[in-house]
Order: sequence, then structure tokens, then C-alpha cells
Amino acid sequence: GEEVAQTPKHLVRGEGQKAKLYCAPIKGHSYVFWYQQVLKNEFKFLISFQNENVFDETGMPKERFSAKCLPNSPCSLEIQATKLEDSAVYFCASSQYHMEGGRTYNEQFFGPGTRLTVL
Amino acid sequence: GESVGLHLPTLSVQEGDNSIINCAYSNSASDYFIWYKQESGKGPQFIIDIRSNMDKRQGQRVTVLLNKTVKHLSLQIAATQPGDSAVYFCAEKAEAAGNKLTFGGGTRVLVKP
Repeated sequence: GEEVAQTPKHLVRGEGQKAKLYCAPIKGHSYVFWYQQVLKNEFKFLISFQNENVFDETGMPKERFSAKCLPNSPCSLEIQATKLEDSAVYFCASSQYHMEGGRTYNEQFFGPGTRLTVL
Repeated sequence: GESVGLHLPTLSVQEGDNSIINCAYSNSASDYFIWYKQESGKGPQFIIDIRSNMDKRQGQRVTVLLNKTVKHLSLQIAATQPGDSAVYFCAEKAEAAGNKLTFGGGTRVLVKP
């Protein structure tokens, strides 16, 4: 599609439950990024993919967070055993290098986010 | 602490006036900078970008200025409109270190009619 799509829009989980978030990048974009935004501020990078391969996972909490981007499927971010501090809005972004007017572009386009509330 | 995120710096501006939003970045290796606009309940929306080999770039009603000496970035919005009310974030990237964006803390712009 022409926009990054994220589902669900809202997700409520009890502490200790699993949460799974989905992202469909813009068609033709090779790069997918996940960011966490806490309290309407402070974006934190989590992980990025180049196609189905992990490109950079330096922001991922190792213990409970995992992510995948499989061919012909939406990308996913999964949190096992959610904690109260996982409550945030999770944004997915996608990008693709392209040339225009002699300049290289790779701007990231963001989806609408999934608001996760852990009770 | 957790309360910091609720108290964004706020710029109140009269409709029709110009707005200037400032951002200090920390990584001297950053070579690409972007301004995003975030409206309530939505994801960040790309406004304008600039590479480190430039010090100014203009778009439609927006201008980004980059001062690498003091690691400062600003966004100027001309003739601010009610639709410009939002939270504005600067973001930086060091392409040699991957494509991840590092965001600044955000500034809320309130346009008064």
C-alpha cells in the first residue's frame, strides 16, 4: 500500500501476558523500523530490518522482545510476559533508498502506531 | 522521571506569525537530519530533511537551518496556521552507523487564532 499500516490500533494486556503487534510497510520499501514512544515523547529505536533480515537490533530488550519480517507477511513485534513499563505507543516505519534530482533519499515514513496498555 | 514526558516545551504563536523551533543534537557523526510533525493520536509525519553538507534547505513554508559547529538545528515555519499545531521532533542519523533515527525531545506548537 501507499501507507504504513499497523494493527491493532489499541491493545490491552494484563501484566505477564503476551502482546503481538503487526506492521505492513509501504509496498516496495525494503527497510522496516520499530520505535517505542513513551508518554507522547521520547522515541526509542528498537530494531530494523532489511527485507527479512535483521539490520540493527541494538535497541531491543533481549529478554522479552522479539521481531520478525517474513516474506509475504506483515512484520511483527512480540513482547512476551509484558510489564507495566512496556505501556507505550509502538510505531513502525518503512523506507527505501531512491534517487531524485541527483540526490539520494531514504526518509522513513511512519505508521499510525499501536497503543499498548499493560495493566 | 516519568513526568518529564508530559511537560513538553511549548511554543505559543499567533496565527500568521512565523515560528522557530530549535533542536540541539549530540552526535557529531550525524550526517542526516529530519523534522517530523506529530499530531495527536498519529504517527510522525515527515516535514523536511537536510544533509550535513548543507546549512539551509527550504520547503513549502518551512526552512531548516543546520549549524554543525554548535550542533544546532532549527525549523522555521512561515505564516503559521492553525493546522500547524502539533508536536515537532527533530531526528538525526549517522548513515555509517545504520539507518536508525535518534529523536530529540519534541516541542509543542500551539497556534492561537
